[in-house]
This record gives sequence, structure tokens and C-alpha cells, in this order.
Amino acid sequence: GAVVSQHPSWVICKSGTSVKIECRSLDFQATTMFWYRQFPKQSLMLMATSNEGSKATYEQGVEKDKFLINHASLTLSTLTVTSAHPEDSSFYICSASFGQGAYEQYFGPGTRLTVT
Amino acid sequence: QKEVEQDPGPLSVPEGAIVSLNCTYSNSAFQYFMWYRQYSRKGPELLMYTYSSGNKEDGRFTAQVDKSSKYISLFIRDSQPSDSATYLCAMRVNSGNTPLVFGKGTRLSVIA
Repeated sequence: GAVVSQHPSWVICKSGTSVKIECRSLDFQATTMFWYRQFPKQSLMLMATSNEGSKATYEQGVEKDKFLINHASLTLSTLTVTSAHPEDSSFYICSASFGQGAYEQYFGPGTRLTVT
Repeated sequence: QKEVEQDPGPLSVPEGAIVSLNCTYSNSAFQYFMWYRQYSRKGPELLMYTYSSGNKEDGRFTAQVDKSSKYISLFIRDSQPSDSATYLCAMRVNSGNTPLVFGKGTRLSVIA
């Protein structure tokens, strides 16, 4: 089956620093990748949708200058949390889709971010 | 009203029980319905997928969609302790690159 990886799986950073999270589709080309944030005991909240080679589409309330998304290739998307603060601590999950006509989204294992 | 409503539980059942998980939704345009299983601190894993109304069975799992009532269900037969996880319903309007809309998830514990 389609495999999506994320790196790192867990990161601790100091307040004010930036953190980059990578999402890779290992065995397929993902024309679209989605980034979600999940707080404890909450559902997944979509942050942004990114299509390869174009700018990401952010959901309402998500600061595009704080959460920088780059989808430079069909197998890699990155999320950079800039000037992280403790309230950014969360579980960040990416998913990837083959594209039009595909119903499935394949999820990565998630990245736990803790900002101290 | 939220687009997708799902009782968060927790739901605790004895091993071997039949589990029924449900979601209701308000957007009649949803056509693709999915159930994901998420273990603690892991990404969601697709369990079942259904297009439009009807039933779908896969092993111990059965998914049902009733579009007239805007109601979807997941049944787990002969539940096992390994089924203990959070189950998320998700749905979308179109296939392809449109985002999924998730329910809150139901935490299930199957007690041996």
C-alpha cells in the first residue's frame, strides 16, 4: 500500500525558534498533500492543502506567515513552524493523495511538537 | 451545527461484543464516506470506504451509509482488545484533491 512518512516523529524546541517537519510519499507521487493539526482528544483540523509546484491554500484562521508550507516535488512537502510558541505544541499530521479520481488520503505517522 | 457530529465516547465493551459507531452530518453534498482508525500518537489508518449509500463489508467490519438520514455507521463484530483505538469518520464532497471533513472521533476500549 501507499506509505507516507514524516520526520521527525517528535521534536522539542525553545520558544521563538523555527521547526521544519517533512512529509514524504515513499512509493507514489502525491499531487496533493494536506497538513492537519490535532490537539489531545480532539479531531484532526485541516490547516492547509498544498499542490505540487503551487502555493498552499490555508484554512481560515491559519496564519500563512507562521506555518510555511512548501511542496517542491511530488514526493515531499514541508511544514515550517516559524517563531514557535508553547500554544503551537500539538500533533501535526500530513496526508497525501494521488490526485483527481482518487478517493483515498494516506496519512503519515504524525509529528509531536513540544515548544518550551 | 457542526458539519460532522460524532460521539467522542469513551465506549468500553467486553471482548467479543459487537460495536456500533456512528456519525451524522449536515451537508447533503457529501458523497464519499470513510472510517479511519487511529492508535494513540499515530496517524489515522483507513479502515473502510463507501461511496454514496449502501453497505460494505470487510472481514469483521461493516460500513453503512444512509444518505436519506445523513447517518453513517461502522460495525465491528467479535471485537478484540487490539481494536481499542479512536475511530474517526470522515467524508468529502468530491474525490481527488478535496479535503476530508472529520468527526471528533470515538474512543473505543475493548476489555479482555
